[in-house]
Amino acid sequence: QVQLHESGPGLVKPSQTLSLTCTVSDGSIILSGYYWTWIRQHPGKGLEWIGNIYYTGSTYYNPSLKSRVSMSVDTSKNQFSLNLNSVTAADTAVYYCARYSTAWAFDYWGQGTRVTVSS
Amino acid sequence: DIQMTQSPSSVSASVGDTVTMTCRASQGISSWLAWYQQKPGKAPKLLIYAASTLQSGVPSRFSGSGSGTDFTLTISSLQPEDFATYYCQQANSFLVTFGGGTKVEIK
Repeated sequence: QVQLHESGPGLVKPSQTLSLTCTVSDGSIILSGYYWTWIRQHPGKGLEWIGNIYYTGSTYYNPSLKSRVSMSVDTSKNQFSLNLNSVTAADTAVYYCARYSTAWAFDYWGQGTRVTVSS
Repeated sequence: DIQMTQSPSSVSASVGDTVTMTCRASQGISSWLAWYQQKPGKAPKLLIYAASTLQSGVPSRFSGSGSGTDFTLTISSLQPEDFATYYCQQANSFLVTFGGGTKVEIK
């Protein structure tokens, strides 16, 4: 059973870069047809897709965040990462990593990590 | 972008009831729709993918239907553990979008 675990700072200052890493265990990140994803949820709100990355490094980003987002993958560590720059209070959210299956659904999720943007 | 609209935003129901909620896409998405259940403080859980295929381990009281732009999630014989928020998600393109959610509350 694949497990995903998010890690990174819980507090980021405005205008700085939010950096999170998702570690995949009990399964390889090199999996044909599967993408790896970041999703966030603002307090009391719905789910917002941030972007997908393939193990080759190919990415797809939410157009509304594209100018500030970058994702990368480290297959040697079975990890993928999220960088979101120039953050504001509006980026305060719970950030989830997830696996995007060949059925185009998110079948495995991390437990989520809460990130607060505040000085 | 494809917009996903869920209705109702909330529904009150009792244990044993049948609950139906809908998700409408702003353009046709074939059957590329998934449904998730989320409980407070927890990550969402995949219930249904490809509009009507039950994810492994999900109880059969959950069912999904629809294609094109209109989709339905039905929970038959509502159980206490089913009180949660449900989200739809379209997967017609690599640009993923979620619906705003339907909260199932205890009447």
